[in-house]
Amino acid sequence: DTEVTQTPKHLVMGMTNKKSLKCEQHMGHRAMYWYKQKAKKPPELMFVYSYEKLSINESVPSRFSPECPNSSLLNLHLHALQPEDSALYLCASTTAIGAGGQETQYFGPGTRLLVL
Amino acid sequence: GQNIDQPTEMTATEGAIVQINCTYQTSGFNGLFWYQQHAGEAPTFLSYNVLDGLEEKGRFSSFLSRSKGYSYLLLKELQMKDSASYLCAVSRGGKLIFGQGTELSVKP
Repeated sequence: DTEVTQTPKHLVMGMTNKKSLKCEQHMGHRAMYWYKQKAKKPPELMFVYSYEKLSINESVPSRFSPECPNSSLLNLHLHALQPEDSALYLCASTTAIGAGGQETQYFGPGTRLLVL
Repeated sequence: GQNIDQPTEMTATEGAIVQINCTYQTSGFNGLFWYQQHAGEAPTFLSYNVLDGLEEKGRFSSFLSRSKGYSYLLLKELQMKDSASYLCAVSRGGKLIFGQGTELSVKP
């Protein structure tokens, strides 16, 4: 089983709203990722969590706030977003970082976000 | 710095063979991945190469030459459902560095 789930599938929010995106995996993976993807562009890395600790923040604006409550869950809290933040937000996971081996990232289906 | 290049678009005919090339220059290398992404969907893992040579998996094969910084994805017996974006990505330090993707259109 290589399933990563994400909720919600679609989200429309105003610039003053606060919302959260959720990601879950039950593969025992210890590294989880948030990506942002615009149309006809590759995924753009935002955050990496390794063993529930934030290990990489790719200079993402503070209106995006990640959280990893446990090894299976990853959240992305959204506040005061801008219309240009509209995109597909993808979560991914892999076994572990730096343990050797393939480190294949498995992606969830994504949340399509529209900011009005 | 890092640079990963792949063609933007390719067109091929159903039943044919197509080769999608990827060249890379990156500081650090832990392997090269190919992902397939249909419009509006998540990327799905196709193949991984870390040593030089060819990896075959059904209709899809992937090749790597580390000395040349070069990989290709070979798709045989093309089907209409193979129309998608194909992403080349270099693994480095727990991160995937993606190329811009190649949009493949398969025509009848």
